[in-house]
Amino acid sequence: AQKITQTQPGMFVQEKEAVTLDCTYDTSDPSYGLFWYKQPSSGEMIFLIYQGSYDQQNATEGRYSLNFQKARKSANLVISASQLGDSAMYFCAMRGFFQGAQKLVFGQGTRLTINP
Amino acid sequence: GAGVSQSPRYKVAKRGQDVALRCDPISGHVSLFWYQQALGQGPEFLTYFQNEAQLDKSGLPSDRFFAERPEGSVSTLKIQRTQQEDSAVYLCASSSYRGESGYGYTFGSGTRLTVV
Repeated sequence: AQKITQTQPGMFVQEKEAVTLDCTYDTSDPSYGLFWYKQPSSGEMIFLIYQGSYDQQNATEGRYSLNFQKARKSANLVISASQLGDSAMYFCAMRGFFQGAQKLVFGQGTRLTINP
Repeated sequence: GAGVSQSPRYKVAKRGQDVALRCDPISGHVSLFWYQQALGQGPEFLTYFQNEAQLDKSGLPSDRFFAERPEGSVSTLKIQRTQQEDSAVYLCASSSYRGESGYGYTFGSGTRLTVV
């Protein structure tokens, strides 16, 4: 079984500052993938970034980077130079690759608010 | 289509009424998922299709929930005799991957079901 834990229910950050959203995970699968999604008030889940468990380098996508620490089972999302439009719910998720498992397991989310 | 389309966008049902939620995935996407997202929570997996085959229905909360994808494209999630605890957003996602590593889940905007 897989589990995702996001311990920050809410985060408040000043515009243009960097912010780190925490995510820890638990799995017995030797191979897995980690995802971050953004969910604005409109409700859709927007894919941000992906990290495979065997990827040698931390993933980056524009202002998003994933601080992957495999031994600590953490996959924190770092947003640089935050913008007002970054205000949303953020979800960490994972999937295992054992026996072709496909489903994503999500954490409880962190509500990020960017203040002007 | 360009994205995953879900209808209706909002649904209000009286307790005991049957409802049907529709998901139109991205054309050619093999995998289709349904998730339930309660207010303020992360999405919870309900069921997964690969083409027309329902490979995992372990997340369906009761036998009142039924999903189908008869021709391997459009899917319908049916809830019989709705109860108040069924009130949630129902998200559909599709993916072009059949089990390989990588990402590619695209989510729809969801159907918000309110049972009164």
